[in-house]
Amino acid sequence: SAVISQKPSRDICQRGTSLTIQCQVDSQVTMMFWYRQQPGQSLTLIATANQGSEATYESGFVIDKFPISRPNLTFSTLTVSNMSPEDSSIYLCSFSGQGGQETQYFGPGTRLLVL
Amino acid sequence: QKEVEQDPGPLSVPEGAIVSLNCTYSNSAFQYFMWYRQYSRKGPELLMYTYSSGNKEDGRFTAQVDKSSKYISLFIRDSQPSDSATYLCAMSAGSGYSTLTFGKGTMLLVSP
Repeated sequence: SAVISQKPSRDICQRGTSLTIQCQVDSQVTMMFWYRQQPGQSLTLIATANQGSEATYESGFVIDKFPISRPNLTFSTLTVSNMSPEDSSIYLCSFSGQGGQETQYFGPGTRLLVL
Repeated sequence: QKEVEQDPGPLSVPEGAIVSLNCTYSNSAFQYFMWYRQYSRKGPELLMYTYSSGNKEDGRFTAQVDKSSKYISLFIRDSQPSDSATYLCAMSAGSGYSTLTFGKGTMLLVSP
């Protein structure tokens, strides 16, 4: 199956700054997703990224705060803008397909701490 | 009522035990059911994938879906310390890149 990687694996940032997280898949995939995982909480979908179109955001998430790029079929970025300590979380990207369009395969995650 | 309910645990068992992990859900439209395993500081890894009701077995793992009761289970036979992880259930309503709804995850600890 395809291999998915994320950079950075972790970061510590100051409030008010922005961080861009990169997600790379080693084969072409149609749909990529970005999630947030907070301690003791379910994985929460931030947005769905389809190549060549604007990302689709879930309720409670807006493009100004979480801009997403999907320039090709193997790569996506998520930016966490104007960060506050409440943005401290694990951010995960995933892609669907390869054995079932309903299944998703996840990257290792980016652990973000905002001071 | 949350869409997907999952006991967070931790569930502690001795090595060799049979483990039962469960989720209940409220949305009758869910048709596709998945179990993910997540080790500490790692991303979720797909373990099992089933469609509609029934059982599916893969080695020491068995996934069971009862749509009439809105209840899914993951059984682990002959549990090993390497099975210690958080297990997340996930489900979706339709085909064609549907979004997944996750439980909070159950932490499993298997002691040698």
